[in-house]
Amino acid sequence: GAVVSQHPSWVICKSGTSVKIECRSLDFQATTMFWYRQFPKQSLMLMATSNEGSKATYEQGVEKDKFLINHASLTLSTLTVTSAHPEDSSFYICSARAGGRYEQYFGPGTRLTVT
Amino acid sequence: AQTVTQSQPEMSVQEAETVTLSCTYDTSESDYYLFWYKQPPSRQMILVIRQEAYKQQNATENRFSVNFQKAAKSFSLKISDSQLGDAAMYFCARLGAGGTSYGKLTFGQGTILTVHP
Repeated sequence: GAVVSQHPSWVICKSGTSVKIECRSLDFQATTMFWYRQFPKQSLMLMATSNEGSKATYEQGVEKDKFLINHASLTLSTLTVTSAHPEDSSFYICSARAGGRYEQYFGPGTRLTVT
Repeated sequence: AQTVTQSQPEMSVQEAETVTLSCTYDTSESDYYLFWYKQPPSRQMILVIRQEAYKQQNATENRFSVNFQKAAKSFSLKISDSQLGDAAMYFCARLGAGGTSYGKLTFGQGTILTVHP
């Protein structure tokens, strides 16, 4: 149990375009989802926290207009990178937590390359 | 800032031997949770072991055990009988239980573990 999927696993887009990444909890209802960014051989940095039906809370330094997060249902959250630039290239990981529980379950990640 | 520090960027161990990965953290909370995660080359985050701060007993999961020193804010991971499949990047993480850090994981910098046959 407690499986989280991400789609796509790998995406290449041109500079200036937008790309959407989906995060789904497959066998539980995720009241909270988290989005992280990870550069090669570095740690995970929390970008934002989203609660179902509410606006996402962004960490300091994260551009909310660039990284749009939507958590419209208890099993789906999306991260849209708008007007992507090469510096947005990174590995994006989501995690999900069920209500009343503290443990987060991680998706397999999405590698974004902006050319 | 409530940080998590892993002072060993890289560690290596011989197969079947024991290795200990270090982690210290900073917190003003009395209740929190600590985790060790493994990230293999696939980059999927895998939970290795968890420790509730209110529990004095050190957590153990098969070959993995922790040495939790609450007063010293230290949380080391011991891997016994190391296997080739243990090779990965290991992250120590703290889960906030209150205030602005409630429910958020703060990760250490990571330790790359190499296992030699």
